[in-house]
Amino acid sequence: EAGVAQSPRYKIIEKRQSVAFWCNPISGHATLYWYQQILGQGPKLLIQFQNNGVVDDSQLPKDRFSAERLKGVDSTLKIQPAKLEDSAVYLCASSSSGGRGTGELFFGEGSRLTVL
Amino acid sequence: KQEVTQIPAALSVPEGENLVLNCSFTDSAIYNLQWFRQDPGKGLTSLLLIQSSQREQTSGRLNASLDKSSGRSTLYIAASQPGDSATYLCAVRGFQKLVFGTGTRLLVSP
Repeated sequence: EAGVAQSPRYKIIEKRQSVAFWCNPISGHATLYWYQQILGQGPKLLIQFQNNGVVDDSQLPKDRFSAERLKGVDSTLKIQPAKLEDSAVYLCASSSSGGRGTGELFFGEGSRLTVL
Repeated sequence: KQEVTQIPAALSVPEGENLVLNCSFTDSAIYNLQWFRQDPGKGLTSLLLIQSSQREQTSGRLNASLDKSSGRSTLYIAASQPGDSATYLCAVRGFQKLVFGTGTRLLVSP
């Protein structure tokens, strides 16, 4: 069974530039998550999708971050314009639906962003 | 608001030792708790998932227990190996969202 796929693995940009990350979840998983992990910290949820609807985006900085889930499968996370403090690893995860997505989470390898 | 704490933050042991990692949470109204392993520069690998109705789960040398009433979970690693060196994170799923601890960084020396 293929895992969660993410790209790119690494990205270096200058502040005020834009960047986009892509995620393809495990086939059949209805719930998709984007997490931000700053070095030395646990992952922080940015946005959770159930199929193509948003369940939770309360911690997403909406003035610069946006995310969409096309047709309830792939998802893209965009940052525009980037700030220095956005340097982090962006993790995508998916789980099978269990009401509120209570199934086991599976993570991708992450996309490491460095903002200079 | 759910808060998840992992103690110790770092642990160094010689190969072969049995060890226990701790995870505590403040709100006992949870659906499940999941333990992950994270290697440097990598994503998170799921180790064990314990549903709220369960007391423990086992996989190979790993055993995770859950005591909802006291807000605690432990991850027991038997006969540790250098390959077990990684950061171990617990994540608690409550009504609102999945909340992660900050992890325990484990180093197993040969």
